[in-house]
Amino acid sequence: AQSVTQLGSHVSVSEGALVLLRCNYSSSVPPYLFWYVQYPNQGLQLLLKYTSAATLVKGINGFEAEFKKSETSFHLTKPSAHMSDAAEYFCAVSVPRRQGGSEKLVFGKGTKLTVNP
Amino acid sequence: GAVVSQHPSWVICKSGTSVKIECRSLDFQATTMFWYRQFPKQSLMLMATSNEGSKATYEQGVEKDKFLINHASLTLSTLTVTSAHPEDSSFYICSARRGVSSGSYEQYFGPGTRLTVT
Repeated sequence: AQSVTQLGSHVSVSEGALVLLRCNYSSSVPPYLFWYVQYPNQGLQLLLKYTSAATLVKGINGFEAEFKKSETSFHLTKPSAHMSDAAEYFCAVSVPRRQGGSEKLVFGKGTKLTVNP
Repeated sequence: GAVVSQHPSWVICKSGTSVKIECRSLDFQATTMFWYRQFPKQSLMLMATSNEGSKATYEQGVEKDKFLINHASLTLSTLTVTSAHPEDSSFYICSARRGVSSGSYEQYFGPGTRLTVT
């Protein structure tokens, strides 16, 4: 069964420092992977997605993620944190339906990013 | 493009009453819409998947008679929480997908609806 595990429920960095949010996946088929960001009391916004093309995926707001099959990882990074990056981040994997129909997303538990001035 | 709205953004209702939440895709036709529930400081849990013109597919453990989903058009899906109880209080988020079924699809999320049952 497809699943994702986000290591670290809370990550705190200083403004300007590297951001690294970890996500490991489990999938019996080639996975489609996503990173979403959620600001308080809001829905989710897609940061980037991996769909079996380039393994290094660039997203919005300076974020990028690298798909590493050997490590079953899809970690999210940003070279220099900004105060506005403070939010909850979710990694997700697309799961096919056994009996047809639309695929669904399975989300990790989320990582709350705090950026200190 | 690809904007999804929800209405209302927050609602307070009394125990035993029903409340309807709307999810609209504003600038695209959504062949499939999803309803999620999010408890405080937790992840999103998929409740059901709805395809326009057909019955919704509910996830295991979700009461279909309590959470009624209607996807009457390609731009509108509704979730009705019937006979609401305080334990139904939560943040409900919808998302919409366009195009044909593909694992690489992207879901566009609404801003969420905060339901409080008193």
